[in-house]
Amino acid sequence: DTAVSQTPKYLVTQMGNDKSIKCEQNLGHDTMYWYKQDSKKFLKIMFSYNNKELIINETVPNRFSPKSPDKAHLNLHINSLELGDSAVYFCASSSQGGNTFGSGTRLTVV
Amino acid sequence: GQQLNQSPQSMFIQEGEDVSMNCTSSSIFNTWLWYKQEPGEGPVLLIALYKAGELTSNGRLTAQFGITRKDSFLNISASIPSDVGIYFCAGPLSGNTPLVFGKGTRLSVIA
Repeated sequence: DTAVSQTPKYLVTQMGNDKSIKCEQNLGHDTMYWYKQDSKKFLKIMFSYNNKELIINETVPNRFSPKSPDKAHLNLHINSLELGDSAVYFCASSSQGGNTFGSGTRLTVV
Repeated sequence: GQQLNQSPQSMFIQEGEDVSMNCTSSSIFNTWLWYKQEPGEGPVLLIALYKAGELTSNGRLTAQFGITRKDSFLNISASIPSDVGIYFCAGPLSGNTPLVFGKGTRLSVIA
């Protein structure tokens, strides 16, 4: 039973489209995150949610809008996709200390 | 923003060799974490360190939390092909905050 699952695993779309990535965790954690990993494998936090509330937004463009319907889910919606949005997006959750990561969504904008 | 300086960037080693990589920061961390990422997967936690000076092992992996709380190292003994991957150091800036990651050490093991 996967602890942090995100879908889809791969997403190829054209510039200007709107897309969503879903994430669910069954660990009972209060805090969930979205990270972005660029082509050089650098991992950087985008958003942090605690109990469905936005805690951190790390200067991410407004085109990215996270939504947390309950504390087990944190979805990421992206409007007007741009070429530079191509990356691997990781969802993660934590209670204390380390994060548990999903297996990532590779987004390719063409 | 806060950065973790991780070195080396990449390593090519022979199977059976020992590996050492380290991570430094200009700021104090209260927790140091070491992750491994394999292709197509998310980072997986290998070792978590919570106290300055702490030395923790996980099989062939050993990690230490530096006394100054500004550095940590990870050693892998007797490397095997399945050790291939990218190893990241990471730490929360405070409490239960998101992690700051080093830029990773890409390990290749030649059989």
